[in-house]
Amino acid sequence: DAKTTQPNSMESNEEEPVHLPCNHSTISGTDYIHWYRQLPSQGPEYVIHGLTSNVNNRMASLAIAEDRKSSTLILHRATLRDAAVYYCILATNTGNQFYFGTGTSLTVIP
Amino acid sequence: GAVVSQHPSWVICKSGTSVKIECRSLDFQATTMFWYRQFPKQSLMLMATSNEGSKATYEQGVEKDKFLINHASLTLSTLTVTSAHPEDSSFYICSARDPRQGYNEQFFGPGTRLTVL
Repeated sequence: DAKTTQPNSMESNEEEPVHLPCNHSTISGTDYIHWYRQLPSQGPEYVIHGLTSNVNNRMASLAIAEDRKSSTLILHRATLRDAAVYYCILATNTGNQFYFGTGTSLTVIP
Repeated sequence: GAVVSQHPSWVICKSGTSVKIECRSLDFQATTMFWYRQFPKQSLMLMATSNEGSKATYEQGVEKDKFLINHASLTLSTLTVTSAHPEDSSFYICSARDPRQGYNEQFFGPGTRLTVL
């Protein structure tokens, strides 16, 4: 059962930063916050994950609220290739199942 | 990152026939694989967890006799849609966990589009 809430859609101008929010008010202490994205007719791909501290990688940054009840995926400079559906998922580090919510469909405007 | 493949990438079959979809981990051994189904403009729905050498665990509402899952080796899981009907037409996606990774990242296959006529 999905335990996250995301806006259905968002728009961004190309080369501008994008902040994709996710609410997960029922998060437990062992839940990691995972972000995946899915391009049309493809399988999801990993973007980033974190537990408590903010995280950065080559694709994005993840900002996690102090109470961990929400998080924000940050794309620093959106490109047309970033247009996708972004999913925020909670899962334990040793657990198995991913339950996908509705995700956020990101449109990047040239 | 680890690579997961699926075969076929698309398949069209007649109503009443069975279709087998393969999911392979190419460069790692996966004791656990997952099967998802995705209808157009909808999110992924977890169907079952496939465990090597044991029976799959199906999510509530998924018919185990209709969606047969076999995970006979550490690199291969198969999903067989038996007696397929048009309502089974969907995008089927598998994923696998790489036990070498220190966290619960899942690597997804490219998906298989099934169309039942």
